[in-house]
Amino acid sequence: QVQLQESGPGVVKPSETLSLTCTVSGGSMRSYYWSWFRQSPGMGLEWIGHIYYTGGATYNPSLKSRVTISLGTSRTHFSLRLTSVTAADTALYYCARGPMSNWGTFDPWGQGTLVIVSS
Amino acid sequence: DIQMTQSPSSLSASVGDRITITCRASESIGTYLNWYQQKPGKAPNLLIHAASNLQNGVPSRFGGSGSGTDFTLTISSLQPEDFATYSCQQSYSIPYTFGQGTKLDIK
Repeated sequence: QVQLQESGPGVVKPSETLSLTCTVSGGSMRSYYWSWFRQSPGMGLEWIGHIYYTGGATYNPSLKSRVTISLGTSRTHFSLRLTSVTAADTALYYCARGPMSNWGTFDPWGQGTLVIVSS
Repeated sequence: DIQMTQSPSSLSASVGDRITITCRASESIGTYLNWYQQKPGKAPNLLIHAASNLQNGVPSRFGGSGSGTDFTLTISSLQPEDFATYSCQQSYSIPYTFGQGTKLDIK
């Protein structure tokens, strides 16, 4: 079955750009949306945005000015870029397939990668 | 944005107990409500979609109900593997939003 795995640096300096990759294995990215989320300590999950397999992206308005989600050229991965990071961007970042049609669910998810913003 | 509020934020219970978690939306979302289970260090797992529909493979002791603004997740007889954090998510409108989570631990 489809599996997702996040990867990227665990520490990013303030004001720099956070870059993460989600590798999709066990299935095709075709015909699906693919999303990024984050969860700050003690907080609920926050949807960052999604991208369709053809490349169109939609972002959370709260992050839109700083976020770019893109597809890998081989269509086996997609990426997240978040610019001008601050301590408030410290979080566990997840990728997931979805939103799925009809009910807007997200399934499956990656296990998450912790990103700490610190100098 | 639609705000999702869960209660309680934490809950202690014993194996065999019946528990209920509540999720309230700040505006009507029909049945565009999904539930997830999270265990430490593990990927979130989709349990229920459209308020009351169990995902394939989810045990029948899990149940969901509600529509409009008020929803519940019920576990009829807690098993050791059910101790986790549960989150609701609305898919009625973008941005998709989640409740803050309910941490269920062993009494």
